[in-house]
Amino acid sequence: ETGVTQSPTHLIKTRGQQVTLRCSSQSGHNTVSWYQQALGQGPQFIFQYYREEENGRGNFPPRFSGLQFPNYSSELNVNALELDDSALYLCASSLYTTGRNEQFFGPGTRLTVL
Amino acid sequence: QQPVQSPQAVILREGEDAVINCSSSKALYSVHWYRQKHGEAPVFLMILLKGGEQKGHEKISASFNEKKQQSSLYLTASQLSYSGTYFCGTAIAGNKLTFGGGTRVLVKP
Repeated sequence: ETGVTQSPTHLIKTRGQQVTLRCSSQSGHNTVSWYQQALGQGPQFIFQYYREEENGRGNFPPRFSGLQFPNYSSELNVNALELDDSALYLCASSLYTTGRNEQFFGPGTRLTVL
Repeated sequence: QQPVQSPQAVILREGEDAVINCSSSKALYSVHWYRQKHGEAPVFLMILLKGGEQKGHEKISASFNEKKQQSSLYLTASQLSYSGTYFCGTAIAGNKLTFGGGTRVLVKP
């Protein structure tokens, strides 16, 4: 069973730039959720994708967008980067979208915005 | 609104017990517990579902009081490997989790 993978591991960008983060879900999982984790805080829900459609969004502006592909891998795109976007970005995969199913997190992408 | 975790931090000696609490002001469908070590991803520990069902880690126990919308995670006979930050994630519907601020646990020899 293949675990959740994310790329890149680390990324440094400057304000105003755009970034794309990638996530490969665990084998057999069709749902990917993205979270932002600021230093010393719990993860915050950004959005979720189920079978290539957005299935819920947290309190994040439209410059945070995503995609899910037919193989259930996913991308998170952030436009017009701001300093406060510096954080660990985690994706989590699960089988379906019910609260009965555990989510497994990838190792994360550490984004630094200068 | 995020759930409230208590205590914020706890220091234990190996073999001691601890309880971590997670309280929500909303009616919950499920509570998910994770442990995160520094620089690593959160690791799934347990799900507690409305109605009493549980899924998860063999050596970790937890409870969910539906009347109080509160969950407790019990660290029994703690081991050095239990050190890390524990997060509860709550779900009202589906599995879009709202996480608490975390409880830092340090287990000393």
